[in-house]
Amino acid sequence: EVQLVESGGGLIQPGRSLRLSCSASGFIFDDYAMHWVRQAPGKGLEWVSGITWNSGILGYADSVKGRFTISRDNAKKSVYLQMNSLREEDTALYYCAKGDDTLTGNCDYWGQGTLVAVSS
Amino acid sequence: SYELTQPPSVSVSPGQTARITCSGDVLPKQYAYWYQQKPGQPPVLVTYKDIERPSGIPERFSGSSSGTTVTLTISGVQAEDEADYYCQSADTSVPYVIFGGGTKLTVL
Repeated sequence: EVQLVESGGGLIQPGRSLRLSCSASGFIFDDYAMHWVRQAPGKGLEWVSGITWNSGILGYADSVKGRFTISRDNAKKSVYLQMNSLREEDTALYYCAKGDDTLTGNCDYWGQGTLVAVSS
Repeated sequence: SYELTQPPSVSVSPGQTARITCSGDVLPKQYAYWYQQKPGQPPVLVTYKDIERPSGIPERFSGSSSGTTVTLTISGVQAEDEADYYCQSADTSVPYVIFGGGTKLTVL
């Protein structure tokens, strides 16, 4: 059974940093791209970032480019999102999602999400 | 950058057919994917590569594509199908994953 478990969310002040983690199990982790997708309260889905299986290609939404960094550790079956210079508009539920063999395909499994609240 | 446009809401009576559209210039070039999201739950993939259906998804869910528009069709809608539905595609030049704004399906 595929499982994705996010952690690291919380309440944080604007301008500070936070690192999200996603631990994966139930599939061959280093065969697939991984993504972070967020959802602000009452809003739709917004893709944040994605990383190919070998970290060879990284993608970012314009809204986070230069502030967020995605990475993965295939030995630990984990993907991370380093979020710097956080803004109130980054407040959202952050989902980790399993991609396919490309960075631009579907997300076929999702975690339950970790909540990030940016507020002074 | 590309955008995907969905109607904000669609309403249908039980047993009828619901059609949810998604329009965008990237769609003739890239596959589309559809997700169902119920309140308090993560999204679930219901169709992929325009027309394919993952295992475990009921046959009443189907996808189609024509030019710059893709459509999710739910035949014989059931009360449990009431949810938000999102289309997704991608711009491979960046790379960049794109979600539509979402459509709330109401089962009357």
